[in-house]
Amino acid sequence: ETGVTQSPTHLIKTRGQQVTLRCSSQSGHNTVSWYQQALGQGPQFIFQYYREEENGRGNFPPRFSGLQFPNYSSELNVNALELDDSALYLCASTWGTGRGRVTEAFFGQGTRLTVV
Amino acid sequence: GDSVTQMEGPVTLSEEAFLTINCTYTATGYPSLFWYVQYPGEGLQLLLKATKADDKGSNKGFEATYRKETTSFHLEKGSVQVSDSAVYFCALSEGDSSYKLIFGSGTRLLVRP
Repeated sequence: ETGVTQSPTHLIKTRGQQVTLRCSSQSGHNTVSWYQQALGQGPQFIFQYYREEENGRGNFPPRFSGLQFPNYSSELNVNALELDDSALYLCASTWGTGRGRVTEAFFGQGTRLTVV
Repeated sequence: GDSVTQMEGPVTLSEEAFLTINCTYTATGYPSLFWYVQYPGEGLQLLLKATKADDKGSNKGFEATYRKETTSFHLEKGSVQVSDSAVYFCALSEGDSSYKLIFGSGTRLLVRP
């Protein structure tokens, strides 16, 4: 068991709505990254949070935003949902310094978001 | 930019067969390389990793060797089991200022009894 927990596990939303996904990082980890995995594809990096600030961002529009809290847990918020946002959203935690390559990341089980 | 290319699946094998899943990468520097496994309905689990050329990562009977000359990190297992059925992802992390994993598209493995 990795210790990274995500909630909820499944979610159905209507196009145009907003959604918040949550992630509790593994004990001792200070860095959280979010990935989007569309059906049949590999995960795509959305952004990373380190010390409560965004520490890097992939090719996702501003309607994807996040937060990290003092206990290192994190939220992913998506506004104005589109049908193409339907995917598995994965949270990964690691211990880091805000720089340097990923040495090992532990993933949660993901939140399956369906936009109708 | 950096990228990872995996062989397309599904790969269907009989139990105890030999497994190879090909992975090649493109990177400007010298990345760290990873194999992750995803079982049905679950997140990703790190299977093995290698951080420099000629390193061999191994775990649970799986092995992969970091080949800089061929920019490859092929996954192998000598004798697969039904329980190995899953999707396997090759990934890289590169550069001193990198903070993300770049994944391939995944290869589904189906092992039949």
